[in-house]
Amino acid sequence: DAKTTQPPSMDCAEGRAANLPCNHSTISGNEYVYWYRQIHSQGPQYIIHGLKNNETNEMASLIITEDRKSSTLILPHATLRDTAVYYCIVKGANSKLTFGKGITLSVRP
Amino acid sequence: EAGVAQSPRYKIIEKRQSVAFWCNPISGHATLYWYQQILGQGPKLLIQFQNNGVVDDSQLPKDRFSAERLKGVDSTLKIQPAKLEDSAVYLCASSTWTVYGYTFGSGTRLTVV
Repeated sequence: DAKTTQPPSMDCAEGRAANLPCNHSTISGNEYVYWYRQIHSQGPQYIIHGLKNNETNEMASLIITEDRKSSTLILPHATLRDTAVYYCIVKGANSKLTFGKGITLSVRP
Repeated sequence: EAGVAQSPRYKIIEKRQSVAFWCNPISGHATLYWYQQILGQGPKLLIQFQNNGVVDDSQLPKDRFSAERLKGVDSTLKIQPAKLEDSAVYLCASSTWTVYGYTFGSGTRLTVV
């Protein structure tokens, strides 16, 4: 599986958009970009995934660059409950979900 | 829809003792995973089941860890004997081919003293 690179941490103000970057320069054509988050003392939670096109659901938006070498997860209006570790994962259809260290997002009041 | 259930929530044991964790996946999810998460790290896959068969156990320390999934539903993960470095959160997840994401339980926090 291709590896991803995320900064270790970032913060944002409550109510503002949180833009979480991820680099995956070695991604293969059939590999998806997945985002999960893990709130303290809970298991990881699926957020969103995409292949080429930008995706949006009730939780977030995923913007994938045209060359697919990087992506950004956008939480449009961050709340204190969005404070968590966010994992960007590249995964093929039949491969396993492999987690890195993720990025710790701190939402400040 | 009920989530993935795990028990116990917390467990403290002495080194060289044995311990078992239980997982009940979401009904109808054929695939079940056990992950180990050491403090400060991302979860690491230990074993993957498809129904009651093992798909991948390449990262499972087989000299001390064992897992089974009877009748393709519930699963247990056992450690015998435990070492200090086994202190971690053990997460169970399940998935089905019709749903893209994995659903994780809240995990069992194991402390070996």
